[in-house]
Amino acid sequence: DTGVSQNPRHKITKRGQNVTFRCDPISEHNRLYWYRQTLGQGPEFLTYFQNEAQLEKSRLLSDRFSAERPKGSFSTLEIQRTEQGDSAMYLCASSPSTGGTEAFFGQGTRLTVV
Amino acid sequence: KQEVTQIPAALSVPEGENLVLNCSFTDSAIYNLQWFRQDPGKGLTSLLLIQSSQREQTSGRLNASLDKSSGRSTLYIAASQPGDSATYLCAGVYYGQNFVFGPGTRLSVLP
Repeated sequence: DTGVSQNPRHKITKRGQNVTFRCDPISEHNRLYWYRQTLGQGPEFLTYFQNEAQLEKSRLLSDRFSAERPKGSFSTLEIQRTEQGDSAMYLCASSPSTGGTEAFFGQGTRLTVV
Repeated sequence: KQEVTQIPAALSVPEGENLVLNCSFTDSAIYNLQWFRQDPGKGLTSLLLIQSSQREQTSGRLNASLDKSSGRSTLYIAASQPGDSATYLCAGVYYGQNFVFGPGTRLSVLP
C-alpha cells in the first residue's frame, strides 16, 4: 500500500472554470476527509465520509463545492465557477475506523486560480 | 468553538539542541491528539497519535505528551538535526472525527 494518493498534484485554472480533484485512500480505510490549507495556516476541515455516506460538511463548503465517494472507495472534490479565493492546497486524509485511530494524509492538490 | 493554538509560531535553533513545541486546545473533550510534520509544498506526515486515555507517546527522538485537564500537548524533539526543519502541526480529534488544526510551528535547525 503506497498511502493516500491525490491527483493532480498541481492545477492552474482560469476564474470561472470548474475543477475536479481525486483522492484514493489507503485500502480498507472507511473514513475519508477533505481539508483546505492556505499559506501559513493550518488545514481547515471541509467534509468527511464514512464509507460512501457524507456525514459532515463545513460551512466553508459553499454551494460551489461538492464531494462524492461512490462505492466507498475513491473520492472526488469538485469546485464549480472557481474564484481566486479558492486558491489553496486541498488535502485528503483517510483513517481505518471510528474512534482513536490515526489519520494519514496525501500530498495534496495545489490549486491556483488566475 | 473548538480552537487549537501553537506556540511559538517560528523557532530557529542550532543543531543538537533539545526543543519543545507547544499546543493548546480550548475544548477538553478531546478524543485524540495527533502531531504532524509538513515540509514546504507537501502534505502532512503523521508523527505521533496520543489517545485520550494516554498521557504520552514516543517515537525515536520524538516524545509527545497530552494533559487534557490543562488543555495542552507538547512535542519534545531531542538532539535536533537539520533534517527536522519543517512545520509541525498539532490537531485535536473530537468525537465526530473532525480534526481541528493549529496554525503550526515553523522549525529551522541550523547546521
